[in-house]
Amino acid sequence: QKEVEQDPGPLSVPEGAIVSLNCTYSNSAFQYFMWYRQYSRKGPELLMYTYSSGNKEDGRFTAQVDKSSKYISLFIRDSQPSDSATYLCASGGGYQKVTFGTGTKLQVIP
Amino acid sequence: DAGVIQSPRHEVTEMGQEVTLRCKPISGHNSLFWYRQTMMRGLELLIYFNNNVPIDDSGMPEDRFSAKMPNASFSTLKIQPSEPRDSAVYFCASTSGTSGRPANTGELFFGEGSRLTVL
Repeated sequence: QKEVEQDPGPLSVPEGAIVSLNCTYSNSAFQYFMWYRQYSRKGPELLMYTYSSGNKEDGRFTAQVDKSSKYISLFIRDSQPSDSATYLCASGGGYQKVTFGTGTKLQVIP
Repeated sequence: DAGVIQSPRHEVTEMGQEVTLRCKPISGHNSLFWYRQTMMRGLELLIYFNNNVPIDDSGMPEDRFSAKMPNASFSTLKIQPSEPRDSAVYFCASTSGTSGRPANTGELFFGEGSRLTVL
């Protein structure tokens, strides 16, 4: 079992929709939770970064961590075609090296 | 500021040949990571350097893989001999511990990757 599990999708939504992307993790020692966005033929780039449980909002993006259920979520409001990419969740921290999920491919249709 | 620079962007080679991938991290970053990405396994950490010293190479698949970091601005990942199952996109990433967080907290800056195809 991978330490970070993610539904690969693909997920296809109409422009303007609310998108929900989810991951689960198994390592209780993880303290930091990240979402990376990867456009086609590019390297991943950090999108959201949270420490421990709770919510973090940045513009149209909200990251949510529930450590009790080991669940990580990313919500995208008013989705745009430019949001079409693969979204990778990742966890790490302390003495735990960063572990990535396999990514969910999102397509936002105009 | 220039990001992480990787070369070559694409490499096609035949089984048994030696492959060398190169990486220049962001200036001032003291940690460097090599990852491999495939559809089936996602992003896998191969090796991680801190201040040019290999810290964790437990992800290196086998002895055919080796990595060096002779100075703070250059690293190589070598595969010798290459096999078709090594076909993947190899990413280099760097980060700095000067933000107060340890290098493994996840604020990684990735290059654009080297796409390797072994025939």
